[in-house]
Amino acid sequence: NAGVTQTPKFRVLKTGQSMTLLCAQDMNHEYMYWYRQDPGMGLRLIHYSVGEGTTAKGEVPDGYNVSRLKKQNFLLGLESAAPSQTSVYFCANGEGLGETQYFGPGTRLLVL
Amino acid sequence: AQTVTQSQPEMSVQEAETVTLSCTYDTSESDYYLFWYKQPPSRQMILVIRQEAYKQQNATENRFSVNFQKAAKSFSLKISDSQLGDAAMYFCAYRNHYGGATNKLIFGTGTLLAVQP
Repeated sequence: NAGVTQTPKFRVLKTGQSMTLLCAQDMNHEYMYWYRQDPGMGLRLIHYSVGEGTTAKGEVPDGYNVSRLKKQNFLLGLESAAPSQTSVYFCANGEGLGETQYFGPGTRLLVL
Repeated sequence: AQTVTQSQPEMSVQEAETVTLSCTYDTSESDYYLFWYKQPPSRQMILVIRQEAYKQQNATENRFSVNFQKAAKSFSLKISDSQLGDAAMYFCAYRNHYGGATNKLIFGTGTLLAVQP
């Protein structure tokens, strides 16, 4: 039972390149989230999903897109990476309103 | 909008001693949840403790307990008998009970806890 996993763990991109971060869960939770963590700040919500086939914008969505084609996967895409997107990205899931969110191990992204 | 404030960027405690981490929040809601998450050097976010606002009783989990003061909007974390493995960044987080569809967590900026042997 892996919980929430993220791929890759670390990636270096050049400005303008694209990439997709994969989040997978084996917990069958409806809600999934993508956060970013920057130095001196708490986590901030990028996008989220309340179920298969649904996505919505969070607090800092610009420059990112997401897809939830299957319940167990939540993908975060960067179409044209910028140095401002250098960050640590966390995926999380949750059963629903009021329930605890469980986090993946994070992906460290460096954009040069 | 709700906010979460952690006013102690860094704290230090001797092994086996007790330490309290502070957290205050601002909200106009009456129903919500509060959390403490631990982030060790591995960067994994680990739930430490959770408190429902409608419960008067303070939550406890083994050596971890909270002092929840709803009127003062304060939610401090007490770690008793500190261990070297407690060294980590600790985040306080808030979520509305009826948050619409977002159910998003609002995080403080964190407190870095060092444990001295």
